[in-house]
Amino acid sequence: TAGITQAPTSQILAAGRSMTLRCTQDMRHNAMYWYRQDLGLGLRLIHYSNTAGTTGKGEVPDGYSVSRANTDDFPLTLASAVPSQTSVYFCASKPREGYNEQFFGPGTRLTVL
Amino acid sequence: GQQVMQIPQYQHVQEGEDFTTYCNSSTTLSNIQWYKQRPGGHPVFLIQLVKSGEVKKQKRLTFQFGEAKKNSSLHITATQTTDVGTYFCAGVRTGANNLFFGTGTRLTVIP
Repeated sequence: TAGITQAPTSQILAAGRSMTLRCTQDMRHNAMYWYRQDLGLGLRLIHYSNTAGTTGKGEVPDGYSVSRANTDDFPLTLASAVPSQTSVYFCASKPREGYNEQFFGPGTRLTVL
Repeated sequence: GQQVMQIPQYQHVQEGEDFTTYCNSSTTLSNIQWYKQRPGGHPVFLIQLVKSGEVKKQKRLTFQFGEAKKNSSLHITATQTTDVGTYFCAGVRTGANNLFFGTGTRLTVIP
């Protein structure tokens, strides 16, 4: 079982360009999350989805959008990247409401120049 | 702003010494979780605490949840080099669903 996969592993992106970070899980988990991790700030929630077809905003949603067309995939899109979006991005999932442990993907390291 | 603060930010210990990290929330939490992230890795769930005053142990690790459900601690006895990494607490506010992660404590163990 692969668990959660993220792609790409790392990327250098020019400011103003768009990019989609991919996240796929094969555990049939209902809930999925996108976090960004910055030194000294821990992990901050960008967007989440409690179930396929629904999404919600987290702590730092500006500049990002998500979609949840099916259970397995939860892509994160940066429409016009800015240098402050340089970060490590983690996708996570959990089986259902009331089950609290989250399972994390390996992360995507994004540098915006 | 950050709702779950964690101290210290960094800790260097000699192998065999004890280590403690503290987590404090500005609001009451329904539960608190602890995660470990190895260097270059991703966060991995360690444990969840739900009850006021709860104490749980995992071998050399002891986790506590405060009586007011606003703070928590992780204590490692006799650290080993395998304990190296960043330890995060993550709380769920009462009435909410999403996790708020602490800022993390990066532990270095000197052999």
